[in-house]
This record gives sequence, C-alpha cells and structure tokens, in this order.
Amino acid sequence: KAGVTQTPRYLIKTRGQQVTLSCSPISGHRSVSWYQQTPGQGLQFLFEYFSETQRNKGNFPGRFSGRQFSNSRSEMNVSTLELGDSALYLCASSEVSRLAGGDEQYFGPGTRLTVT
Amino acid sequence: GQNIDQPTEMTATEGAIVQINCTYQTSGFNGLFWYQQHAGEAPTFLSYNVLDGLEEKGRFSSFLSRSKGYSYLLLKELQMKDSASYLCAVYNNNDMRFGAGTRLTVKP
Repeated sequence: KAGVTQTPRYLIKTRGQQVTLSCSPISGHRSVSWYQQTPGQGLQFLFEYFSETQRNKGNFPGRFSGRQFSNSRSEMNVSTLELGDSALYLCASSEVSRLAGGDEQYFGPGTRLTVT
Repeated sequence: GQNIDQPTEMTATEGAIVQINCTYQTSGFNGLFWYQQHAGEAPTFLSYNVLDGLEEKGRFSSFLSRSKGYSYLLLKELQMKDSASYLCAVYNNNDMRFGAGTRLTVKP
C-alpha cells in the first residue's frame, strides 16, 4: 500500500496570502487529522475529518480550515497568513475516527510552510 | 490550565532499559498516546492507553494511571535507532494536547 502523501512538500508564501495544503490518506483510511509543528510550540492538533465531516478541532483561529472529499483526500486552508504560521504541517490517516478509537495512525512527510 | 509534562532530555546505554515519564493535568481525559519522532521525520504511532495498566508491544510498553494523571513509556533492550524524541499526547474532549517531547539519546 502506498503511504500518506502530502503536497506540496515545501512552500513559501507572503504575509496576507492564503495557502491550501493537500493530504491523500492510505487507501481505505477514512480519517485524516492535521497537525502543526513548530520549534516553539511543538506539535499541535488542528482538526480531524472522518467521512467528510469535521469530528474534532483543536484550539486554532478560524483562519485555519479544512475539508475532506468523498475519496477521503483532505485539504487544509490557511487564510491571511501570518509569520507565526511558518511550520511543518503534518497529516495522519487511520481506518477509523482516530480520536474516538485510538486506532493506529500513519503520518505523511509533512509540508514545510515558510511565511515571509 | 492544561499541562502535559515530560523530561526534556534523557540518555541511556545500548541494551539497557529506559522509562520516559509523562504527567498531565487536563480538564478531561479520554486517552493517552505515545509517538516516536526521529529528527527531520514525521512522528510514528507507538501506543494508545485508555484504561489503567500496562500495555506491551514488543520492546515498548506503555503504562497509564488515570487517578494519578501519569503515564510512562518503557523501552527495553535499547538500540541505537531508538535515539529519537518521544511525545506523549492526551486526547480530551475532542481536542488533543501534546507534551514538548523527550529527546532520548542512546549511547554505545
């Protein structure tokens, strides 16, 4: 089976712009979770999507949003980018709603976003 | 507030056993995760504890005490490849909070 893929791997944007990141889960996995990782704040949970519905959400402003398609692929959008949004954005997939059942999840390689 | 605390760094010898502790204070609790993350790589899932007690998975075991707000990850027969950061995370009321991670260095 192919692993979790994320595109793009690297991205440079300017303050005020918006960005869309993509995540394709492992075939058959219906849950996709998104995380932000920075040296200062560590790893933080953004949200989880399961069967096209947002099931869980972390403590991030409304500028961060996402969606999931019928094929389980997910996108994350950040609007009005700020310098502090520079981070590694990771997605992870699992067969069931991860936070509900704690099912083993698999991470993608991440998208490194730099905001200048 | 919500706190998840783990030691910043630990060092151990190849072949030895190491225990990485995690204490948490959260407004609720649904479960606790442990992840391993090698430098420059994505995290990998190690374990998920919901009930009190020890869960063993090969060389790795994870323990949970909900009444004490305490968990540990036990690594046996340490190998050089176990040098990595280990993150504990608490799932709580549809949110998830991570500790800052413990950087483990395994020496020959």
